[in-house]
Parts: sequence; C-alpha cells; structure tokens
Amino acid sequence: KQEVTQIPAALSVPEGENLVLNCSFTDSAIYNLQWFRQDPGKGLTSLLLIQSSQREQTSGRLNASLDKSSGRSTLYIAASQPGDSATYLCAAYNAGNMLTFGGGTRLMVKP
Amino acid sequence: EAGVAQSPRYKIIEKRQSVAFWCNPISGHATLYWYQQILGQGPKLLIQFQNNGVVDDSQLPKDRFSAERLKGVDSTLKIQPAKLEDSAVYLCASSPLARAAQGRGGYTFGSGTRLTVV
Repeated sequence: KQEVTQIPAALSVPEGENLVLNCSFTDSAIYNLQWFRQDPGKGLTSLLLIQSSQREQTSGRLNASLDKSSGRSTLYIAASQPGDSATYLCAAYNAGNMLTFGGGTRLMVKP
Repeated sequence: EAGVAQSPRYKIIEKRQSVAFWCNPISGHATLYWYQQILGQGPKLLIQFQNNGVVDDSQLPKDRFSAERLKGVDSTLKIQPAKLEDSAVYLCASSPLARAAQGRGGYTFGSGTRLTVV
C-alpha cells in the first residue's frame, strides 16, 4: 500500500526566501506525481504534474522534481511571497489513476 | 472550460441524520472521484467511477456511505446515518483518463462540501 509523507508539516519563512517542501513515497512504482495548493476553506488547485518519465517540471517561481528510485519529490518555491501562504499537498498516482495524498505542509510567508 | 461543480458548499446535520452531496464533473471527463478530507489531513479516496461504473470503492464505508453516477455524468454521495467522525470536507474530482499511464493531464477538483456533524 502506497504511503506518502510530507515534511515539514508546517513552515514559516520571511518574505523573499527560497524554500523547499519535501514529499516521500514508499512505493516507487508510481506513475505521475502532482503538487497541489489548498487555501483555507477551498478546494485543491493543481500546481505541477510530473509524469513518470520526467524528472522535473517548472512553472514560474515553482519547480518540482521527481526521483522515483529514491521515492522522493521536492517542490522549490523561489522568492516566496505572502500570497504563497497555503497548504501544499503532494499526491502519487497509481496505475488506476487514483491518488494517494501526503498530509500536507502548511506554509506561512511573513511580510 | 467550466470547473467541477459541487453543492452544497456547507452542511450541518445532527448525528444519525442523512445527507447527500452532488457533483457535476467537467464535460467529457469519463472518470469521477470522491475524496474525504478530515481537518489537518490529506484527502483520502472514497470511490472512483469510470463513466457510470465503479472502478474502486474499497475505502468506502459501505454500511453508511453510498454513491452513484447513474448516467455517467453527475454523481451523488450519500451518508446515512451520519456519525461525528464523518465531519470533513468531501471533494469531488474528475479526470479525462482512466489510467495514468496514458500520461496526459490530471485531476481537476471541485471546491468541496464541508460537512459538520453535531
């Protein structure tokens, strides 16, 4: 059974810092891996989808990497802003297109 | 394209009452999912539909939860009777893919229904 863990569970940084969120998974036979953002009381917004044949994806200030052999993914946020404050969730796809989520990292970026 | 629509946005019920949630996926998306997200945790899959058939409902508490997608489009999730531990956000999502190996796209989530059982 796939298990996904996110560290740290919470993170507070000053505005402008670069930061890394970590995601690890137990079963390396994943297909895709996706990073989501969730604002309080809201649904999930897709940030980056890394397909199994890829090693990274970039969108603006966000860069996500995937290392299936070590069971790890990281989300790098450059030059953090207060608007980046949210919970970030990573999720691993299995062959049936079902997602297993980590518990999330709650990020607070202070002005 | 329009997103995944869910209703209601909020619901408060007493334990042992019943409740139903509705979801309308993105047009043309064959696959529909219901996830349960308890406060402070990541979402957990309850059930996956492919068109109007169930692909996986292994984590659905079938003694009290039921879901249907009769015409292969919108879906309802019902809880009867509700327990205090059912308090959570219920997220619906859709995908154009049955299998991730096809390698295109991913999920689109609705805004969720926040259920409070008192």
